[in-house]
Amino acid sequence: NAGVTQTPKFQVLKTGQSMTLQCAQDMNHEYMSWYRQDPGMGLRLIHYSVGAGITDQGEVPNGYNVSRSTTEDFPLRLLSAAPSQTSVYFCASSLETASYNEQFFGPGTRLTVL
Amino acid sequence: QQPVQSPQAVILREGEDAVINCSSSKALYSVHWYRQKHGEAPVFLMILLKGGEQKGHDKISASFNEKKQQSSLYLTASQLSYSGTYFCGTENNYGQNFVFGPGTRLSVLP
Repeated sequence: NAGVTQTPKFQVLKTGQSMTLQCAQDMNHEYMSWYRQDPGMGLRLIHYSVGAGITDQGEVPNGYNVSRSTTEDFPLRLLSAAPSQTSVYFCASSLETASYNEQFFGPGTRLTVL
Repeated sequence: QQPVQSPQAVILREGEDAVINCSSSKALYSVHWYRQKHGEAPVFLMILLKGGEQKGHDKISASFNEKKQQSSLYLTASQLSYSGTYFCGTENNYGQNFVFGPGTRLSVLP
């Protein structure tokens, strides 16, 4: 099992550009989520999904879109990048609800917006 | 609402013990503990699902006091490998909306 994979590992964008961060898992997990982590801060939930076709907002959803067309994939789209979106982004998955299950994290994507 | 963690940072010598606390102003139904080493992804340590539950593996254990809405992580006879940032996490209002605390940075020195 590859676990949770994320691409790219590093990305530099200019303000206003759009891009998609990819996340995939091969553990047949129903629950997937995106977090951002800023220096010295904890992880903040952006969006999550409880299964294919179902997504919902987390704590900091503005400026991001998600979709979940398959169980395996959960891409995160930045619509119009802003410097405030410079962060490390982690994708995570768990068997079912994150409330009662271990979350497995991907290696992260370091995003810089100039 | 984000859980509160204390202390923010702690420095230990190898073999010393540490306690990291996590508390919430809202009722806690589950508490998760994760450790993140610098430049890496968070790694799961344990979940506590019931008030009064205690868990542990190796020399890391945790307790959950549902009434006090708090959990504590205990690191005994710390090793260099214990260094990292420890996060507690919990659900937000019954739902799937998961929230982490701000983290406690633990440094273990030789």
